Amino acid sequence: DAKTTQPPSMDCAEGRAANLPCNHSTISGNEYVYWYRQIHSQGPQYIIHGLKNNETNEMASLIITEDRKSSTLILPHATLRDTAVYYCIALTGANSKLTFGKGITLSVRP
Amino acid sequence: ETGVTQTPRHLVMGMTNKKSLKCEQHLGHNAMYWYKQSAKKPLELMFVYNFKEQTENNSVPSRFSPECPNSSHLFLHLHTLQPEDSALYLCASSQDLWQSGLTDTQYFGPGTRLTVL
Repeated sequence: DAKTTQPPSMDCAEGRAANLPCNHSTISGNEYVYWYRQIHSQGPQYIIHGLKNNETNEMASLIITEDRKSSTLILPHATLRDTAVYYCIALTGANSKLTFGKGITLSVRP
Repeated sequence: ETGVTQTPRHLVMGMTNKKSLKCEQHLGHNAMYWYKQSAKKPLELMFVYNFKEQTENNSVPSRFSPECPNSSHLFLHLHTLQPEDSALYLCASSQDLWQSGLTDTQYFGPGTRLTVL
């Protein structure tokens, strides 16, 4: 699976959009980009995933560049409860392990 | 009932004790997983079960013994643990196993915070 790189941390103001970047320059054509988050001392929570097209659900939007070498997770109106570690993971379905790196710590400030 | 539940949420045990962690999923999934998360370390996959059969043991010491009596329940039996085994133990489930060719989303429980004295 492709390695992903994320900045260690970022913050944003409550009510504003949080844009979390992820680089996956070695991603292959059949690898999906997954995002999970982990609020302190809780289990990880699935957010969204995509392959080529941009995706949106009730939690977030995922924007994938045309060359698929990077993506951005967008939380449109961040709340204090969105403070968590966000993990960007690239994987295929076959013989692939959900490997969590260090993620990016998002701090939402009042 | 929420998707994946784990009991107990917190556990303190001595090195000579025997205890068990329980996980139950109410999602109708076929695959279940145990993960370990030590302080300031990434999640580590421990075991994978698919249709009650163990498909992966990620070089886990024998003092951890998993059991999967059916697709909805997963246990982790603990005995003669060491203080370094103190961690958050997470259970997850997915509709199918990744080898099926599907990219399956995993749903996690809240975890059991284990402290070994």
